[in-house]
Amino acid sequence: DAGVIQSPRHEVTEMGQEVTLRCKPISGHDYLFWYRQTMMRGLELLIYFNNNVPIDDSGMPEDRFSAKMPNASFSTLKIQPSEPRDSAVYFCASRLTSGGETQYFGPGTRLLVL
Amino acid sequence: AQKITQTQPGMFVQEKEAVTLDCTYDTSDQSYGLFWYKQPSSGEMIFLIYQGSYDEQNATEGRYSLNFQKARKSANLVISASQLGDSAMYFCAMRGLLFSGGYNKLIFGAGTRLAVHP
Repeated sequence: DAGVIQSPRHEVTEMGQEVTLRCKPISGHDYLFWYRQTMMRGLELLIYFNNNVPIDDSGMPEDRFSAKMPNASFSTLKIQPSEPRDSAVYFCASRLTSGGETQYFGPGTRLLVL
Repeated sequence: AQKITQTQPGMFVQEKEAVTLDCTYDTSDQSYGLFWYKQPSSGEMIFLIYQGSYDEQNATEGRYSLNFQKARKSANLVISASQLGDSAMYFCAMRGLLFSGGYNKLIFGAGTRLAVHP
């Protein structure tokens, strides 16, 4: 079975531009998570969904960030407008309730905002 | 509050030897879960092992074992017979607080970089 798929793997953009990160969770998984990894703050949860419904977005840094999950197999994380401090690796992870507590991570999107 | 502490920024080990990566945690929950993830230089996060707070036996997965000492609030990862491919960052993580809605959150430590030498 395929793992979590993220695209793009690398993104370079200029400050002020809109950035959209995409995630396809493992088929059948009912939880989806967005994490951000930076040198300063380490790994931190931004938002997570259960059955496509956002449950906790308290980690979303500010209004410039938004996330959607229109169906069980697709989620987006959007940054508009992007700023240099948004440069980080963004991970998507998924989990199956009946499969235990483990979250399975995608390969990440490395974002650089110039 | 919850916290994961990994006090070893970097560790070295000789190939084929065992190595222990330290992790201590703090939580007010009686029931909690502890995880270890590996992040190689390629960047992906790979799940290694899980320990539930009420599990009586220490978790093992192949060459990985978790030395769980509840009274000391420690969950150290032991890698036996180290291989060159074990060189990576290793993160200890804990499930979030149950009653604050954090049940599904993972809180990560700062990580330990392991280098395996031939």
